[in-house]
Amino acid sequence: DVKVTQSSRYLVKRTGEKVFLECVQDMDHENMFWYRQDPGLGLRLIYFSYDVKMKEKGDIPEGYSVSREKKERFSLILESASTNQTSMYLCAASGPQHFGDGTRLSIL
Amino acid sequence: SQQGEEDPQALSIQEGENATMNCSYKTSINNLQWYRQNSGRGLVHLILIRSNEREKHSGRLRVTLDTSKKSSSLLITASRAADTASYFCATDDSWGKLQFGAGTQVVVTP
Repeated sequence: DVKVTQSSRYLVKRTGEKVFLECVQDMDHENMFWYRQDPGLGLRLIYFSYDVKMKEKGDIPEGYSVSREKKERFSLILESASTNQTSMYLCAASGPQHFGDGTRLSIL
Repeated sequence: SQQGEEDPQALSIQEGENATMNCSYKTSINNLQWYRQNSGRGLVHLILIRSNEREKHSGRLRVTLDTSKKSSSLLITASRAADTASYFCATDDSWGKLQFGAGTQVVVTP
């Protein structure tokens, strides 16, 4: 069965830190996605990638960047973490989309 | 911005009852999908209905799509306590990008 793995379930970081969230898929899918989920707002797309080294901005890319060096791995980077980036982060691979279990990130 | 909006926001029913939730969207779509999310977990894909389909079944799930009204409904028949979860509709474009609604929280009590 399809598997999308996010490296951490829970993460606590401090304001100003550079934060890396990792996602690995075992399906050989081209398309991968990063979302954040906040109460009452549903899921919002941050970035997506449709191939290695390719990336496209989603609806809320500000304050984030991504890296896709290998097909199976898609990393989300918070360049300088801020408290308003405290959220649940979900990674998905396409086809219909298969999701990881999410990383609940708290920025103090 | 959200493409889909679910209604109701929350639904509480007893085991054995049917649960119906609705989704409205704003723009033309390729497909509409429904997902379930158990508390603290990722989303699980339930069913996909294409824009040229009107109804689709999968086990105890029935999805309808009315493109003229830009709306869809998800019916869960004979609900079980294990159906307690949040349910999201999502529309996609040709890249596979999804636009999600805020979800319907369903609680099924034994």
